[in-house]
Formats: sequence, structure tokens, C-alpha cells
Amino acid sequence: RKEVEQDPGPFNVPEGATVAFNCTYSNSASQSFFWYRQDCRKEPKLLMSVYSSGNEDGRFTAQLNRASQYISLLIRDSKLSDSATYLCVVNKLPGSARQLTFGSGTQLTVLP
Amino acid sequence: DADVTQTPRNRITKTGKRIMLECSQTKGHDRMYWYRQDPGLGLRLIYYSFDVKDINKGEISDGYSVSRQAQAKFSLSLESAIPNQTALYFCATSDLGYEQYFGPGTRLTVT
Repeated sequence: RKEVEQDPGPFNVPEGATVAFNCTYSNSASQSFFWYRQDCRKEPKLLMSVYSSGNEDGRFTAQLNRASQYISLLIRDSKLSDSATYLCVVNKLPGSARQLTFGSGTQLTVLP
Repeated sequence: DADVTQTPRNRITKTGKRIMLECSQTKGHDRMYWYRQDPGLGLRLIYYSFDVKDINKGEISDGYSVSRQAQAKFSLSLESAIPNQTALYFCATSDLGYEQYFGPGTRLTVT
């Protein structure tokens, strides 16, 4: 089983739609969780951290379910500029920033 | 100017050649990383360094070596390139927190 698993997509949605991505992780001791965004042929960039209580940043909402080892990202009112690959990222060693494990990404295309 | 730079941005080389990829950063971070990205496999860690005297293997270090010449510079070498090392290579930096800042990537093709 992969340490971090994501549905690769692609997800093709119209502008204004709400879309959700899911991610599961295998290490129950993992403590830190993130969503990164990667535009085509560009470097990944941190989109948001994921906190136990869930957190929101504008149109983006991240949720964590530790019991199910499951992370989600919800994007409301999708924009064309949201088109990208979204990477689910988990801290490899609990309590340490030494390594991050990246999922293979979920591709999103927002259509006009 | 970009905080994390990589050179070259693109490289085509032949099997058996020695290749060096270079990374420089102006963020003042102590921690630096080298990843490779392959379609469907995500980013995989090759090597990481927490300071000039600290070098650690990642999950896929075989066939690679690194050099941390200074706090700001971290180089990745392929001593004898092989075709399955064709990939997109990223350098990244971080401070004590979890966010990593990536360079623009080097697209390497080994023929």
C-alpha cells in the first residue's frame, strides 16, 4: 500500500462548481498534513496546511479524519485559475520535519 | 529574483555520462532536499541535508550522490546516468517549519 494515496483524476468541472479531493495515508502516527498545488510543468507550492479541527482559506476547505486516516480538500466556486494538480502531503516521521511524503496528485481542470 | 534556482533547466545526456544538477537558494534556510518526479509516482526524496555537515539518504538514493558546498548550495550528481533516471528533478529548501520551497525543476533526459 502506498503511504499516501490519491485519486489521480482528472476532474473536469465547470467554472463555479464545487469539487472535492480525497486522500488516504497509511501511517497512523503521522502528525502533519498539507495540500500543495502544482501547475503544469512548474514546481509544487504549499496551498494550505490541514489541521485536526479542519480549516478554511477563502474558497478552500481542508478536513482531516484521523480515525479513517483520510484528508480532504474542498474547492468552492471553482475558477479557471484553479486548474492544477493538487498534491496531498504527509509528514513522514511524526513530530519531525525531516521528510515529507507526497501523493501522486489529483489533476483538476476547470472549464469555462 | 527566484529564491531557489536550479541549473540547468533542461538537459539531454547519454547513458554513462556524469551529470551534475545544481541548486542555489537565497532564503537563508539550512535544510535542502533533492526530489525526482515521475508521472504517476509523485515526488520521491533522493537526498536531504540539514546543514553543510549533514547529508542523509532519502528513499531512492542509489545511483545518485550529493554535495553541500555551502549553506546556499546543494548539488546532485548522477555518476553514470541511465535511462530510468529520466525525470523531473526538484530542489527544495525549508526552515524549521514544514513548508518546503521548491526550485523550478530540471528536466533530465537520458538517452
